[in-house]
Amino acid sequence: GQQLNQSPQSMFIQEGEDVSMNCTSSSIFNTWLWYKQDPGEGPVLLIALYKAGELTSNGRLTAQFGITRKDSFLNISASIPSDVGIYFCAGYTNAGGTSYGKLTFGQGTILTVHP
Amino acid sequence: EPEVTQTPSHQVTQMGQEVILRCVPISNHLYFYWYRQILGQKVEFLVSFYNNEISEKSEIFDDQFSVERPDGSNFTLKIRSTKLEDSAMYFCASSRRIAGTDLEQYFGPGTRLTVT
Repeated sequence: GQQLNQSPQSMFIQEGEDVSMNCTSSSIFNTWLWYKQDPGEGPVLLIALYKAGELTSNGRLTAQFGITRKDSFLNISASIPSDVGIYFCAGYTNAGGTSYGKLTFGQGTILTVHP
Repeated sequence: EPEVTQTPSHQVTQMGQEVILRCVPISNHLYFYWYRQILGQKVEFLVSFYNNEISEKSEIFDDQFSVERPDGSNFTLKIRSTKLEDSAMYFCASSRRIAGTDLEQYFGPGTRLTVT
């Protein structure tokens, strides 16, 4: 089945630093979504990307949809303590009209921000 | 802001018992989903549902699982005979569309299922 490889697995940074994480796949995705999950809660949508090459921002977050449609990255600028959590990429493909909303998730990047 | 809600937040059940997990999707959304997350692992797709029918299901979604939209607002996941390995967080999600744009999936807070 489709797999997303997310890296790094974890990051420990100082408050104020910028962060970058990425997702790669051996197969093409038509849509990339980035989510943040706090412990014991559901994933919260951060950014949605629909076109290859698209660069989208949401406050201090910026994400890009790779040209090959097989990768995406998420940047967080000037990190703050509340950025702590697990960040997941998720991809969706409507291959030949046979997929109906199935999101494939990466393994997650655990972000720790030291004040 | 509209959100997906789920009940209960935590369910403890004995192996072999049936459980029903409940969800209220966002009101103008048409597509509904169940995912699960075993502790410390990634989120896995179980099933998608549209127009009172299952649209797609994963290999995890075997005969012990079923979904239903019993009325205009609720969406349920039933596990008929729970096993220890069914212990996980179960997330409901909904989206307005599944093609083009505007297909963002919004997740509920989850139900933690513990099978003893």
